[in-house]
Amino acid sequence: KAGVTQTPRYLIKTRGQQVTLSCSPISGHRSVSWYQQTPGQGLQFLFEYFSETQRNKGNFPGRFSGRQFSNSRSEMNVSTLELGDSALYLCASSLGETGGELFFGEGSRLTVL
Amino acid sequence: SQQGEEDPQALSIQEGENATMNCSYKTSINNLQWYRQNSGRGLVHLILIRSNEREKHSGRLRVTLDTSKKSSSLLITASRAADTASYFCATVRNTGGFKTIFGAGTRLFVKA
Repeated sequence: KAGVTQTPRYLIKTRGQQVTLSCSPISGHRSVSWYQQTPGQGLQFLFEYFSETQRNKGNFPGRFSGRQFSNSRSEMNVSTLELGDSALYLCASSLGETGGELFFGEGSRLTVL
Repeated sequence: SQQGEEDPQALSIQEGENATMNCSYKTSINNLQWYRQNSGRGLVHLILIRSNEREKHSGRLRVTLDTSKKSSSLLITASRAADTASYFCATVRNTGGFKTIFGAGTRLFVKA
């Protein structure tokens, strides 16, 4: 079974630009969660999608948004990038019905200059 | 803010010794999980303990959960250099969907 795939793995943007990150979950998984990891703030929960619906959201500004498609693939978008958005963005998939194990991708490392 | 707090923040031990990491949290939970992360990569699930369980074992791992104190501990016995990584506890709550929140993590360094 293929694991969770995140693209792109690395990207560099400048302040004010926007970025879209993609996540393909494990086949059969209907839940996708997104996290932001920085040295200062640790792993912060962004949002969780299940069957195309956002079920939970973290404390991030509206510049951070996401969506999930009918095939469970998910994208997150960050608009008007700020230097502080530089981070490792991690996606995790799960069955979503029991609160069980999350399966993580390798992450997308975003650098904002 | 994070749900869980972990201590110590960093731990350095010799190969063969045991490593203990602690996690405290603030609200009621559905279950608690521990994950491992190697240097800037994705997290890997280690073990899950449900709120009605007190102790669980998996290989060299032992996890305890005390819901009255809202705390958990992870014990790694007979540590190996390959255990060097960051370890995170994660609390799971059912909020109309399961929300998994991670603690700040413990960085473990096992010296060969």
